[in-house]
Amino acid sequence: AQSVAQPEDQVNVAEGNPLTVKCTYSVSGNPYLFWYVQYPNRGLQFLLKYITGDNLVKGSYGFEAEFNKSQTSFHLKKPSALVSDSALYFCAVRDIDTGGFKTIFGAGTRLFVKA
Amino acid sequence: EAGVVQSPRYKIIEKKQPVAFWCNPISGHNTLYWYLQNLGQGPELLIRYENEEAVDDSQLPKDRFSAERLKGVDSTLKIQPAELGDSAVYLCASSASGTSGGTGELFFGEGSRLTVL
Repeated sequence: AQSVAQPEDQVNVAEGNPLTVKCTYSVSGNPYLFWYVQYPNRGLQFLLKYITGDNLVKGSYGFEAEFNKSQTSFHLKKPSALVSDSALYFCAVRDIDTGGFKTIFGAGTRLFVKA
Repeated sequence: EAGVVQSPRYKIIEKKQPVAFWCNPISGHNTLYWYLQNLGQGPELLIRYENEEAVDDSQLPKDRFSAERLKGVDSTLKIQPAELGDSAVYLCASSASGTSGGTGELFFGEGSRLTVL
C-alpha cells in the first residue's frame, strides 16, 4: 500500500537560512511526487512535482525538491527562507502503476521562519 | 481562470442535523475529489469522481455520508445526521487527469469548515 511519511511535525529556521522539509514514501510502482503548501484557513496550493527526469525539480516561490529513488525520499528545500514561508507543508504521492491515480498525503510539517 | 469554488466556507450545526457542502471544480477538470482534513493533519480522501462516476468511495462512511456529481461538473457532499466527530474541514479538489493520464496535481478549493455542537 502507498504511504507517505513526514518525520518532523515542525521545522524552525531563521530567515535567510536554508530550509529542508523531509518526506519519504512507499509505493508499489513508479510514483508521481508532489509538495503542497497550506496557509491558515486556506486550501492547499501546489508547489512542485516530480514526474520523471532530473532528480532536482524547481517550483513556486523559490522552492525545490530532490528525488532520491534509492532512499525513497523527496525532500523540499529552499536556499534562503523567508518569514512568509511559514505555513503547513504536505508531501503527497500519486500512484500511477496500479491504475488508481490515488493521491495520498503525509501528515504535514509546520514550518516556522523566524525573523 | 476561476479556481475551485466551495460553499459554505463555514457551517455551525447541532449534532444530528443534516449539512451539505457544494463544490464547483475548475472548468474542464474531469476528476473531482472530496477530502476530509482534521486540524493539523493531512487531507484524507473521502471520494473520487471521474466525470459523474464515483470510482473510489472506499473511505466514505456510507451510513451517514453521501455525495453526488450528477452532470459530471459540480458536486455535493452531504452528512446526515452529523456527529460531533464530523467537525473538520471538507476540501474539494479537481484535476485534469484521470484514466487518460495527466500530470496529476490537484487544485483545491478553500474548504468548508464544519463545527458540530
